[in-house]
Amino acid sequence: DVKVTQSSRYLVKRTGEKVFLECVQDMDHENMFWYRQDPGLGLRLIYFSYDVKMKEKGDIPEGYSVSREKKERFSLILESASTNQTSMYLCASSWTGNRETQYFGPGTRLLVL
Amino acid sequence: GNSVTQMEGPVTLSEEAFLTINCTYTATGYPSLFWYVQYPGEGLQLLLKATKADDKGSNKGFEATYRKETTSFHLEKGSVQVSDSAVYFCALTSGSARQLTFGSGTQLTVLP
Repeated sequence: DVKVTQSSRYLVKRTGEKVFLECVQDMDHENMFWYRQDPGLGLRLIYFSYDVKMKEKGDIPEGYSVSREKKERFSLILESASTNQTSMYLCASSWTGNRETQYFGPGTRLLVL
Repeated sequence: GNSVTQMEGPVTLSEEAFLTINCTYTATGYPSLFWYVQYPGEGLQLLLKATKADDKGSNKGFEATYRKETTSFHLEKGSVQVSDSAVYFCALTSGSARQLTFGSGTQLTVLP
């Protein structure tokens, strides 16, 4: 069964802290994505990766970075968290042979105080 | 660039009512179109998709037809159930891009 897991369902951090959000998929997918979801704005792509150590900026990369050292793991990093980064963060993955079908994790709700 | 516009919610219906959620898009090239659903407390799941003009995607009683002439992909269901309560997202991908462009989402609540 397809599975994308995210390290935390809920996270509370303080302004200026460094925050790591982890995503792991067990489907041997090449492509992985990080989105943020905000009311009225839908999902917006932050970064994506199509291979180990490869990354590309999405629509809203400012204030974020990513790391993909292993195929199954894709990390989102907030170098210095700010209150406007309070959001729901969703990770997804897809297989290059069927890249249009993305599988999503349950999301991490991050609150930055 | 690509964009997706969905009807604003929330939408509240009684059980067995007919559902339509409107979706229109702007895209270069020939996009594939999708509806994703997010049940409470869960991640998004692919509900249905259509990859070329006039294709109809269907799943779980939901349908949507890819209309190139009106650049639309409206979601319909003839008789909704309480279990259909969720947020529905229209999305597209086109060309060599691997990423999806999503609409803002429509919250559906079905009352018994």
